[in-house]
Amino acid sequence: GAGVSQTPSNKVTEKGKYVELRCDPISGHTALYWYRQSLGQGPEFLIYFQGTGAADDSGLPNDRFFAVRPEGSVSTLKIQRTERGDSAVYLCASSLTLGARAEQFFGPGTRLTVL
Amino acid sequence: GQNIDQPTEMTATEGAIVQINCTYQTSGFNGLFWYQQHAGEAPTFLSYNVLDGLEEKGRFSSFLSRSKGYSYLLLKELQMKDSASYLCAVRGSRGGSYIPTFGRGTSLIVHP
Repeated sequence: GAGVSQTPSNKVTEKGKYVELRCDPISGHTALYWYRQSLGQGPEFLIYFQGTGAADDSGLPNDRFFAVRPEGSVSTLKIQRTERGDSAVYLCASSLTLGARAEQFFGPGTRLTVL
Repeated sequence: GQNIDQPTEMTATEGAIVQINCTYQTSGFNGLFWYQQHAGEAPTFLSYNVLDGLEEKGRFSSFLSRSKGYSYLLLKELQMKDSASYLCAVRGSRGGSYIPTFGRGTSLIVHP
């Protein structure tokens, strides 16, 4: 596709439920990043993949959060037992490589609301 | 760890020039990015600096001083559409990887 896409664009769920957020990176981009952004804040790093493996998951806040990228393209961020504090916009970005100058291209985000 | 500081909000007049500052403290340094983010939209790349000095790209310029841990984004001939949040992001050596860490952004309001 032309850019990074994310689905759904909006997700409303109840506290305690499980959610999956999907990211389709730009074709050929090997690096994929997940961030979350709360109102008035910058994006907060969660995890990144180089190919299929999670190269750095140090930003995941706790073990309720997990992400996969089984074939090195599409990635899914999974949140178990959602809490109200998980409400935020979840942004996905991809870059062609992990080189220092590698520009990140962001998707439109998924706005998650936990009631 | 990494710490990035930028003003929360700035206002400017259409046609004017505005400078948005960013100071940072980081373990290791591997480049500084500026992104523009309109409300409700994804961040879009504006500039990248890894060496000291000024990088100019049309109406936007970005400056870096590594010794001072300081950067600024300069916007000339401001237009109403430039009203947005401007995010400074520093690529350090977080845990051996090179993930950009973002500041909280500067909300720029351009008025007629």
